[in-house]
Amino acid sequence: SAVISQKPSRDICQRGTSLTIQCQVDSQVTMMFWYRQQPGQSLTLIATANQGSEATYESGFVIDKFPISRPNLTFSTLTVSNMSPEDSSIYLCSVVVLRGYNEQFFGPGTRLTVL
Amino acid sequence: EDKVVQSPLSLVVHEGDTVTLNCSYEVTNFRSLLWYKQEKKAPTFLFMLTSSGIEKKSGRLSSILDKKELFSILNITATQTGDSAIYLCAVRNAGGTSYGKLTFGQGTILTVHP
Repeated sequence: SAVISQKPSRDICQRGTSLTIQCQVDSQVTMMFWYRQQPGQSLTLIATANQGSEATYESGFVIDKFPISRPNLTFSTLTVSNMSPEDSSIYLCSVVVLRGYNEQFFGPGTRLTVL
Repeated sequence: EDKVVQSPLSLVVHEGDTVTLNCSYEVTNFRSLLWYKQEKKAPTFLFMLTSSGIEKKSGRLSSILDKKELFSILNITATQTGDSAIYLCAVRNAGGTSYGKLTFGQGTILTVHP
């Protein structure tokens, strides 16, 4: 498996501001993803974080709202820009480890509340 | 569009009971099915299934996949209060990026009373 850490674990933000969430993995991974889980809902894929190039976004998510960086194999950031209360969610980093069997693991999540 | 449906949506049992959680799916180019347990924020990986009829087991939990009928079950025997959680089923397809995409079901909320 992989040990995944996310910072911050939770935050309360004002409307119109931006928050950057960091994801760090203790081992090299092949794939890194960012998910969102809105209250009472299941997980929705936001994007695949690609090392050294632009992320691949799912339908309904755009780079201007959710810019993503992945400078190396073990680190990625997700920024939630110009936040509104509808962005209140748990944001989860997820990885597939390089030497595993394609199992996918999740970080501890960031609980974001936008006032 | 890929689709994963879990049932029941919620389940309340007493300690010692056995539960069966269901997951049915429709996916283009199936690759694998994964089960997760979610207690607070982070889903914890339980099983990954790729082949029909081969049971995966970990302690009191077991799971099996039927690729012909497009479903999987997760069994928990001798349930404990610590099993109370949301159980998520997800299916990976082989399309899109080289790795494919996970589609999640809505989850089953399991509550185990002492």
